[in-house]
Amino acid sequence: GEDVEQSLFLSVREGDSSVINCTYTDSSSTYLYWYKQEPGAGLQLLTYIFSNMDMKQDQRLTVLLNKKDKHLSLRIADTQTGDSAIYFCADLPHSGNTPLVFGKGTRLSVIA
Amino acid sequence: SQTIHQWPATLVQPVGSPLSLECTVEGTSNPNLYWYRQAAGRGLQLLFYSVGIGQISSEVPQNLSASRPQDRQFILSSKKLLLSDSGFYLCAWRASGEQFFGPGTRLTVL
Repeated sequence: GEDVEQSLFLSVREGDSSVINCTYTDSSSTYLYWYKQEPGAGLQLLTYIFSNMDMKQDQRLTVLLNKKDKHLSLRIADTQTGDSAIYFCADLPHSGNTPLVFGKGTRLSVIA
Repeated sequence: SQTIHQWPATLVQPVGSPLSLECTVEGTSNPNLYWYRQAAGRGLQLLFYSVGIGQISSEVPQNLSASRPQDRQFILSSKKLLLSDSGFYLCAWRASGEQFFGPGTRLTVL
């Protein structure tokens, strides 16, 4: 079945850029998502990209999609301590009612 | 705007007791609804999803069940809780491409 892989940990210094990477296996994915989870909270939808796009920018967030390599990345510019959280990558394998497939999450630690 | 509610926020239950967690969505109609469980602050496990009233798909065989009695209401139940049912339960809804999560219920089974 469909699989989504992420590295488990990332540590960056405050003010640097963070890049969180994700790979997926289904070539027919329609949407790809990034979620943020802070301790004790639900998942917050940060951004998502349609599979016919290769880039999306929203303030400090930049999503890059390489559909040929099935690689998705999330870049956070000027990383702040408030960005410390777990970031989940997810994809929607087909359109319609198919559930999203989530990666296991990358824990981002921002060092002041 | 759309809002998703879950209650209770936290719950401590003894082994063998019943469970009922409720999720309601406002501001949308005919959403897909989902129950996830998250153990130890890590990965998400999809438990159930529903594409309409009375339609439930189960992803993992276990002692939990789900029901959707109304369009925007999704209930997770158990007749007898196990220690392994402890975790963070998240409800989510999706309409078109966006999926949103509720605030979650922290369940501890003792």
